Amino acid sequence: DTAVSQTPKYLVTQMGNDKSIKCEQNLGHDTMYWYKQDSKKFLKIMFSYNNKELIINETVPNRFSPKSPDKAHLNLHINSLELGDSAVYFCASSQEPGATGELFFGEGSRLTVL
Amino acid sequence: DQQVKQNSPSLSVQEGRISILNCDYTNSMFDYFLWYKKYPAEGPTFLISISSIKDKNEDGRFTVFLNKSAKHLSLHIVPSQPGDSAVYFCAGAGTYKYIFGTGTRLKVLA
Repeated sequence: DTAVSQTPKYLVTQMGNDKSIKCEQNLGHDTMYWYKQDSKKFLKIMFSYNNKELIINETVPNRFSPKSPDKAHLNLHINSLELGDSAVYFCASSQEPGATGELFFGEGSRLTVL
Repeated sequence: DQQVKQNSPSLSVQEGRISILNCDYTNSMFDYFLWYKKYPAEGPTFLISISSIKDKNEDGRFTVFLNKSAKHLSLHIVPSQPGDSAVYFCAGAGTYKYIFGTGTRLKVLA
């Protein structure tokens, strides 16, 4: 019974395509995030949502469009994929941002753009 | 602008000895600091945290120390076990944002 689940786990696609990664959390948390881990293994925040509302967009290109249909889901849609988008994308959630200190991660989705 | 830095990309320690992982930060607004452990092909998992108003937090074999004046925190693992071999990330937490360091790969030698 995974707390934060994301699909697909692996995704290989051609440059220029559009793809989506889905994320669901069953922890009842209010806040969800997308992180990108690039080839240098740096975990960088992309977006945070609180109760379906976008709170933070860390200068991510507008080819990346997160969508939160409800507070348990935060999906990531990427248009016109580029080689540099190849990375592992992690979804995460927290009860209250920075309050309890614990951030729960999904297993990651490895995106490879050819 | 890297607000959280882990300057040692790797560390090797003998089983049973102490592992000390270090982290420096520049943002004084962090409310909490956290340590995460990551195995290959898995998401990071939470280890231990410390409030910015504390200087030490202990949980079993893991202790985190915070030195606010130096903007430095460290994670002590004692005794180290082979299963502790993983990448360790420190993070600073502020409202709606957790900022991670680049990680330190710990290898515990049997």
